[in-house]
Amino acid sequence: TQLLEQSPQFLSIQEGENLTVYCNSSSVFSSLQWYRQEPGEGPVLLVTVVTGGEVKKLKRLTFQFGDARKDSSLHITAAQPGDTGLYLCAGERNTDKLIFGTGTRLQVFP
Amino acid sequence: EPEVTQTPSHQVTQMGQEVILRCVPISNHLYFYWYRQILGQKVEFLVSFYNNEISEKSEIFDDQFSVERPDGSNFTLKIRSTKLEDSAMYFCASSERGGALAQYFGPGTRLLVL
Repeated sequence: TQLLEQSPQFLSIQEGENLTVYCNSSSVFSSLQWYRQEPGEGPVLLVTVVTGGEVKKLKRLTFQFGDARKDSSLHITAAQPGDTGLYLCAGERNTDKLIFGTGTRLQVFP
Repeated sequence: EPEVTQTPSHQVTQMGQEVILRCVPISNHLYFYWYRQILGQKVEFLVSFYNNEISEKSEIFDDQFSVERPDGSNFTLKIRSTKLEDSAMYFCASSERGGALAQYFGPGTRLLVL
């Protein structure tokens, strides 16, 4: 089974703190994408990483693809209440389908 | 900014009835997808569609499901005879290229089967 496990499952932090969300698998993925989903809405694409070891930055968000392309991390610096949401990683293995992770629900308190 | 749109936003139907969920993908995209998300569960792939035919489908996408691109803009998912377990959010997505890179999702249709 091509499972993508995310940790932690839930995260509650104060505004200004840093955090890291992990996405792990025993399978190799050709690319990995991170999405953010608000309640009752569709996932919104944040970033796609395709090269092992790749690091991409999006303002306060830093995404890394593991060297072996089996894992990824999302680091948020100085979290803000607007970062609150469900963060999903999703991988693909040279097919059309995305395999979604289990999700990390982030709550940032003012 | 271009976006994927879906209609209706909510649909309530009786078990055994047919439903058609509609999507308008981003205009220059060539690859189209349907996913579903049962309440509290992961987003699951249903089907991908390119060049007017299904390119890949999951085991969920059985004979009760079909997809169509009836004109140059719409992409539809039909469930022929709905079951209670079909209740879920259904998301349409599209991408410029295949291989699951950079798929853009619509807001979803919440389907409730009674």
